Amino acid sequence: GQNIDQPTEMTATEGAIVQINCTYQTSGFNGLFWYQQHAGEAPTFLSYNVLDGLEEKGRFSSFLSRSKGYSYLLLKELQMKDSASYLCAVRDDKIIFGKGTRLHILP
Amino acid sequence: KAGVTQTPRYLIKTRGQQVTLSCSPISGHRSVSWYQQTPGQGLQFLFEYFSETQRNKGNFPGRFSGRQFSNSRSEMNVSTLELGDSALYLCASSLTGRRSGANVLTFGAGSRLTVL
Repeated sequence: GQNIDQPTEMTATEGAIVQINCTYQTSGFNGLFWYQQHAGEAPTFLSYNVLDGLEEKGRFSSFLSRSKGYSYLLLKELQMKDSASYLCAVRDDKIIFGKGTRLHILP
Repeated sequence: KAGVTQTPRYLIKTRGQQVTLSCSPISGHRSVSWYQQTPGQGLQFLFEYFSETQRNKGNFPGRFSGRQFSNSRSEMNVSTLELGDSALYLCASSLTGRRSGANVLTFGAGSRLTVL
């Protein structure tokens, strides 16, 4: 079967760092994506990992360990606008999404 | 460059009716995928089309169907609507049908369906 797990909700403080974890079990693997979705809006692409290691893109970084079926998204210097849902997705022959992590940022 | 366009944005139907949703992908994108998003289940894969052919299908009943036209525009249809079909239906396009990392999905704003 296919399963992607991530925490339902997280809370962090403005200016801090937060790590959102994702574990997956899929029949195949051709890459892992992170998307951001603000309430009432479409998901937007954040990052992509296909090889083990860390990919950094500004305040956001994403890590992948294929042997552990594990990824995380790291958000630094949190801003209020980072309040959103973060979706982990894995591609085998199609792209399957986790249920998303709703991140709340406190001032 | 125009994004992914979905119509209608909002619609209300009653049980037993049918509905057709439309999606125009980004110009040059040939692959279109459809997802159903609900608060409890998140984004669930419906189907993917590439060059007018259905490449993949999710675990939804046969009441859910779709098609893609030669200009890459896609439609999905839900027949005999049920209350549980109330959801946000998202369409996403990508450049090619290749299963490679560069094939990022770009989503439309969605069609919000309410079934009464």
